[in-house]
Amino acid sequence: EAGVAQSPRYKIIEKRQSVAFWCNPISGHATLYWYQQILGQGPKLLIQFQNNGVVDDSQLPKDRFSAERLKGVDSTLKIQPAKLEDSAVYLCASSIQSGGLGGELFFGEGSRLTVL
Amino acid sequence: GQSLEQPSEVTAVEGAIVQINCTYQTSGFYGLSWYQQHDGGAPTFLSYNGLDGLEETGRFSSFLSRSDSYGYLLLQELQMKDSASYFCAVIKAAGNKLTFGGGTRVLVKP
Repeated sequence: EAGVAQSPRYKIIEKRQSVAFWCNPISGHATLYWYQQILGQGPKLLIQFQNNGVVDDSQLPKDRFSAERLKGVDSTLKIQPAKLEDSAVYLCASSIQSGGLGGELFFGEGSRLTVL
Repeated sequence: GQSLEQPSEVTAVEGAIVQINCTYQTSGFYGLSWYQQHDGGAPTFLSYNGLDGLEETGRFSSFLSRSDSYGYLLLQELQMKDSASYFCAVIKAAGNKLTFGGGTRVLVKP
């Protein structure tokens, strides 16, 4: 079974530029999550989708971050304009249902963003 | 709001036992999960506690006490490959949202 796919793996941009990350969840997984992980910290939930609807986006900085999940499958996360503090790994995860079956989320390898 | 507390770092030798504690404060608690993450890698699921008590999965066990808002992950017969960061994550009933703690970095020495 294919895992969660993310791209690009690495991205370096200058502040005020824009960037987009793509995620393809495990087939059949209804719930998709975007987490931000700053070095040395735990993952922080940015947005949670159930199919193509938003369940939680309370910690998404909506003035610069946006995310969509068209057709309830793939998702993209965009940052525009980027700030230095956005340097982090952006992790996409999916699960069969919200909260995961038995709390299990499946994570992709992440997209590492460096903002100069 | 909510908070999760876990030690930042633990060092132990091969073959030893390590216990990583996690205390939480949250409303609408549903369950507690544990994840392992090697440097540069993706977090991977280890275990889940929805009810009080001990769950055992091979060398790893996890415990939950809802009344004490406390859980722990027990790593037995430590191996070098267990050197990684370990995160507890609270699942809230509302929306089944997972919130992660800051992580405990475990360093296993020969």
